[in-house]
Amino acid sequence: KQEVTQIPAALSVPEGENLVLNCSFTDSAIYNLQWFRQDPGKGLTSLLLIQSSQREQTSGRLNASLDKSSGRSTLYIAASQPGDSATYLCAVRTGANSKLTFGKGITLSVRP
Amino acid sequence: GAGVSQSPSNKVTEKGKDVELRCDPISGHTALYWYRQSLGQGLEFLIYFQGNSAPDKSGLPSDRFSAERTGGSVSTLTIQRTQQEDSAVYLCASSPDRGGNTIYFGEGSWLTVV
Repeated sequence: KQEVTQIPAALSVPEGENLVLNCSFTDSAIYNLQWFRQDPGKGLTSLLLIQSSQREQTSGRLNASLDKSSGRSTLYIAASQPGDSATYLCAVRTGANSKLTFGKGITLSVRP
Repeated sequence: GAGVSQSPSNKVTEKGKDVELRCDPISGHTALYWYRQSLGQGLEFLIYFQGNSAPDKSGLPSDRFSAERTGGSVSTLTIQRTQQEDSAVYLCASSPDRGGNTIYFGEGSWLTVV
């Protein structure tokens, strides 16, 4: 059974800091991995999708990497801003027809 | 529509009543998912549709929960004889195909059972 872990559960950083959010998964045979952002009271917004054959994806100040063999992914946020404050979730899919399995998320607070 | 639409956005119901939650996926998306998010918890998978069929409904917590999808589009999640532990946000998501592409979420239906 695939399990996804995100530690720590919460993180507070000063504005401008570069930071790394970690995600680990127990079954390395994944189909793809996706990072989401969730603002309070809202649904999830997809940030980056990494296929199993890829090592990283970039979008603006965000960079996500994938190391299947070690069961890890990281989301790198450059020059953090207060507007980045949200909960960040990673999710893996183990097959084309399978569900996404989510971690519990990391709640990020960027202090002005 | 432009995104995944869910209704109602908020629902308060009395214990023991039935509720129906509706999801309108993005037009043309063949895959549709229901998830549940309880306070302080992660997202719990409920059911996955590909077209009108449900190849994976392993996450439905009890036989009080059911879901259907008609015309390869709108889906309804029904909870019978609601219990207080059913209180949660019910999130629907859709994706263009079987899994290679990004999945898009709706804003959720907030259910409170009193």
